[in-house]
Formats: sequence, C-alpha cells, structure tokens
Amino acid sequence: DVKVTQSSRYLVKRTGEKVFLECVQDMDHENMFWYRQDPGLGLRLIYFSYDVKMKEKGDIPEGYSVSREKKERFSLILESASTNQTSMYLCASSSGMNSPLHFGNGTRLTVT
Amino acid sequence: GQSLEQPSEVTAVEGAIVQINCTYQTSGFYGLSWYQQHDGGAPTFLSYNGLDGLEETGRFSSFLSRSDSYGYLLLQELQMKDSASYFCAVRRSQAGTALIFGKGTTLSVSS
Repeated sequence: DVKVTQSSRYLVKRTGEKVFLECVQDMDHENMFWYRQDPGLGLRLIYFSYDVKMKEKGDIPEGYSVSREKKERFSLILESASTNQTSMYLCASSSGMNSPLHFGNGTRLTVT
Repeated sequence: GQSLEQPSEVTAVEGAIVQINCTYQTSGFYGLSWYQQHDGGAPTFLSYNGLDGLEETGRFSSFLSRSDSYGYLLLQELQMKDSASYFCAVRRSQAGTALIFGKGTTLSVSS
C-alpha cells in the first residue's frame, strides 16, 4: 500500500512566521501535490510537482512556495503565515496519468 | 476555466440506493474520478471513468456521459459506514496529472 506521510497532524503558528509542511511518500511516485481543504470549498490545488526540482503552480499559489529536492519528499512553505491560511493541508502523490491520487492524513494549520 | 457542480448534501436510509450527480465544465476532458472522505480522514480513490458508460466496483458504480458533461456515483445497499463526503474530480490538463475537485457532497445515512 502507498503511504503518504505528513509530518504534523496539527500545527499552530503565529502571523508572519515562516511555516514548513513536510510530506513524504514511499512508492517512488513521480507526481506530488499540495491541496488545501476548507469547508464548502472542497479541495483546491496549491502547487504540484512531476519530477525532482520541478514545480507547477496550481489554482491558489499566492502566499505559498514548494520544494522538491528528493523524489519522495515535497515541502510546502508559507513564507509569511497569515490568518487566511488557516486550513487543512493535504499532500498527495500519484504514479502517472489517470492514476489515482493517494492522500496523506492532512495537517490542520492554525495561524493566530 | 474549469468547474464541477455537485449537490452539497444528500441524505438516505440504510439499505437504500443513492445517486450523487456531477456536472463539469472544462476546456478539455480527460476523465472523471470519484473520491470518498470520512470525517477527519484522507480522501480515498473510488473510481475512474475515461469513457462513456458504467463502471461497477462492488456496491459502488460510476457513470459518465461525455456528451452531457455529466457523471454520477451510485451507491447501493447503503450502510452507515457510507456516511462521508464524496468528491468528483477531473484532470486539470491534457499533459498533467493534477486533479480539480468539486466542492463535495456530504452523504448522511441513517438507520
């Protein structure tokens, strides 16, 4: 079974802090994704990566950046956290076109 | 742009059949997927339709009509454990693997 592990289940940070959310997958998947999930808004794509050191903006990239230095790890960075970034963050990976996404359990981030 | 529409809530009783509809507007179409998410859990893949017609997996089936830009998820013999959110999703682009998700349908199954 594919395992996607997010480093923290809950995180509380202060406004203006730099925040790192880490995600590791164990199935040698090429593609990795970061989504945020908010009530009534579903899952919205922030950034994704289809190879090491490659990244693509999703639909809501503002205020975020990503890093993929190793194939198994995809990090989401909030350069200067703001209260409107309080959300559930979900990492996912997939092996290729039309392959299902495998999600981690999410990190619930609260910015105060 | 791309968008997907699905009902926000559906309620049903145990043993019943429920259908969750999804209509989509996309610049190109590369398949419709369905995901299930229990409260506090991760979304998990249920089914994928690349071509028109019905795909069946146990109690769950998914249907696609590309000419109508429409699909549905059919859940039969409902059980309490089917209470969850269900999301339809389409691929964002022809060359990419990222998905765009609908806002989700919350299914509540009562006894």
